[in-house]
Amino acid sequence: GAGVSQSPSNKVTEKGKDVELRCDPISGHTALYWYRQSLGQGLEFLIYFQGNSAPDKSGLPSDRFSAERTGGSVSTLTIQRTQQEDSAVYLCASSPRDRGYNEQFFGPGTRLTVL
Amino acid sequence: AQSVTQPDIHITVSEGASLELRCNYSYGATPYLFWYVQSPGQGLQLLLKYFSGDTLVQGIKGFEAEFKRSQSSFNLRKPSVHWSDAAEYFCAVSTSGTYKYIFGTGTRLKVLA
Repeated sequence: GAGVSQSPSNKVTEKGKDVELRCDPISGHTALYWYRQSLGQGLEFLIYFQGNSAPDKSGLPSDRFSAERTGGSVSTLTIQRTQQEDSAVYLCASSPRDRGYNEQFFGPGTRLTVL
Repeated sequence: AQSVTQPDIHITVSEGASLELRCNYSYGATPYLFWYVQSPGQGLQLLLKYFSGDTLVQGIKGFEAEFKRSQSSFNLRKPSVHWSDAAEYFCAVSTSGTYKYIFGTGTRLKVLA
């Protein structure tokens, strides 16, 4: 079946512009995660959605970052007034449950470059 | 604080040689442990996972890992590396009742022909 998809695969933007990154999780997966992967760094947790529960936004680095998940499926990560330090690969993952022992299935990522 | 350490940023091995990638964790509870691989331009793919039971776990692509509680380690091994194994490898930890993973900073593997 189809895996996690993300769009766009690459995004180049100018400092100060807003960007939207999209994630389509695996059908039926109730949990959805966003991570940021900066050069030479591990994966930084950003936000977590589980079903209809309130999302865990504890990893969002500033109020310029926000995310929503519509209808329990597609998710959009929005970065307002982008800064050069926002340049990174943004990874989305989905999981069938919200338990720690379940595998997370990752998308290919969106590479964001802020000029 | 909970943490995962991958002490080797880069490792270079010759094709056919054995491989061991190190992972150490600091976690108060019983951990769930994972190894993921990321090929260039790709997302992460699960190689193997440990939840309980046999401390030696087998994964895909001929990889295995051993959980050693006394050393707080979960090292990844492969007896004979193939050129296609060149990639970045991430160790991750989670625990029962939580959905968050903590990832290490990764080890980039280079394979010499």
